Amino acid sequence: QLVLTQSPSASASLGASVKLTCTLSSGHSSYAIAWHQQQPEKGPRYLMKLNSDGSHSKGDGIPDRFSGSSSGAERYLTISSLQSEDEADYYCQTWGTGSWVFGGGTKLTVL
Amino acid sequence: QLQLQESGPGLVKPSETLSLTCTVSGGSISSSSYYWGWIRQPPGKGLEWIGSIYYSGSTYYNPSLKSRVTISVDTSKNQFSLKLSSVTAADTAVYYCARRSLREIDYWGQGTLVTVSS
Repeated sequence: QLVLTQSPSASASLGASVKLTCTLSSGHSSYAIAWHQQQPEKGPRYLMKLNSDGSHSKGDGIPDRFSGSSSGAERYLTISSLQSEDEADYYCQTWGTGSWVFGGGTKLTVL
Repeated sequence: QLQLQESGPGLVKPSETLSLTCTVSGGSISSSSYYWGWIRQPPGKGLEWIGSIYYSGSTYYNPSLKSRVTISVDTSKNQFSLKLSSVTAADTAVYYCARRSLREIDYWGQGTLVTVSS
C-alpha cells in the first residue's frame, strides 16, 4: 500500500535553513512526489514536483529558497533563509493505482 | 494562468446531499494530460482525497467514501462536480478542487467551507 510518512512538526530560526522529510512506503521508492505549502487560514499551494533522482521543477513564483532532493525512499524539501511567512504546514503528495495520496503534513514553526 | 473555483452551498443539513462544482478557467478540462479531483480538509486536520475524474468520464474514488460519492464532468462548461450523499457532521470540511498532472497536483482551487448542521 502506498503511504507517505512525514514528521508532525519541525522548527528552525529565522534566517536559518530547514530540511523536511517525506518517506515513501516500501516498494514505492521510485515514485515522484509533490510538495505543497499551506499557510495559516489559506488553501494549499503547489511548491514543486520532486523526482526520485532529485531533479525537481517548481511552480510559478516559488522562490529559489525552496529546493528539493531525494535519497532512496526519502524525499526532502529544504527551505533556506527562513522567513516568517514560511511558517506553514507542508504536505507531500503522490499518486498510485488511481489514488491521490497525501502525507500527514509537517507543521513548520519559524522561531 | 489556470484557475479553479469551487462553488456551492456552504451549509448542508444532516442526511442530505452535498453538491459542489469546480469551474476551470484559463485551460481546457478536456486535455488528455490531466485528471481533476476533489480533496477535503476537516477543521484542524490534514488533507483527504475524495475522488477524481478524467475528461472522458472515468472516475476513481477513495474507498472509504466510495459508497456516497459521485463525481461528474461537463466538458461543455469546463466544469466538474462532486456529490456526497447522506452527510453527517463528520463531513464538515473545506473542500478543494485540484488538477493532477502525472503524479503531482499542480493547481488548487481556493477552497470552500461546507458545514453540515441542522
